[in-house]
Amino acid sequence: DAKTTQPNSMESNEEEPVHLPCNHSTISGTDYIHWYRQLPSQGPEYVIHGLTSNVNNRMASLAIAEDRKSSTLILHRATLRDAAVYYCILRDNTDKLIFGTGTRLQVFP
Amino acid sequence: DAGVIQSPRHEVTEMGQEVTLRCKPISGHNSLFWYRQTMMRGLELLIYFNNNVPIDDSGMPEDRFSAKMPNASFSTLKIQPSEPRDSAVYFCASSSQRTDTQYFGPGTRLTVL
Repeated sequence: DAKTTQPNSMESNEEEPVHLPCNHSTISGTDYIHWYRQLPSQGPEYVIHGLTSNVNNRMASLAIAEDRKSSTLILHRATLRDAAVYYCILRDNTDKLIFGTGTRLQVFP
Repeated sequence: DAGVIQSPRHEVTEMGQEVTLRCKPISGHNSLFWYRQTMMRGLELLIYFNNNVPIDDSGMPEDRFSAKMPNASFSTLKIQPSEPRDSAVYFCASSSQRTDTQYFGPGTRLTVL
């Protein structure tokens, strides 16, 4: 499975944008980039995914580099409820999600 | 929609006892996944089912672990006998198709003394 690299932790202030980076230099052409997050004491939840083009949904935006070797999850206005561990996962057309260590995001009021 | 339901939410047992964790997937979902989360190893996929059939159990740690899915609305993960190193949070997830978004339950926190 292709590997992703994320910073262990990041901090943000409430209502500021947050850019969570992910490096995946060994990504293959069929790998989708998925983001899940895990709020404290909860199971992971889906955030967003994409293949080549940037993607937007109600939770976040996903910016994918042109060479696809990196991507950035963007939270446009962080809230205290966005404090979580964010996982960047590469997934080809298979069933498995392989979770790494993720980025722990702290949001300060 | 009630989401994925897991029971019990917390389980404390003694070493050597049998433990059964239960999961009810989202209605209509065809795939079910069991994960384990520990501080040391993070989130690990143990086993998954598609249409009630086990597809990949390569993540099951050893023979003490077994999982069943007798019907589309129920799955169990059993540990017999349990050991302290099995202490973890066990998550169940379901998806409508094998490669679709997975929806996770709240987890069962297992403590083996």
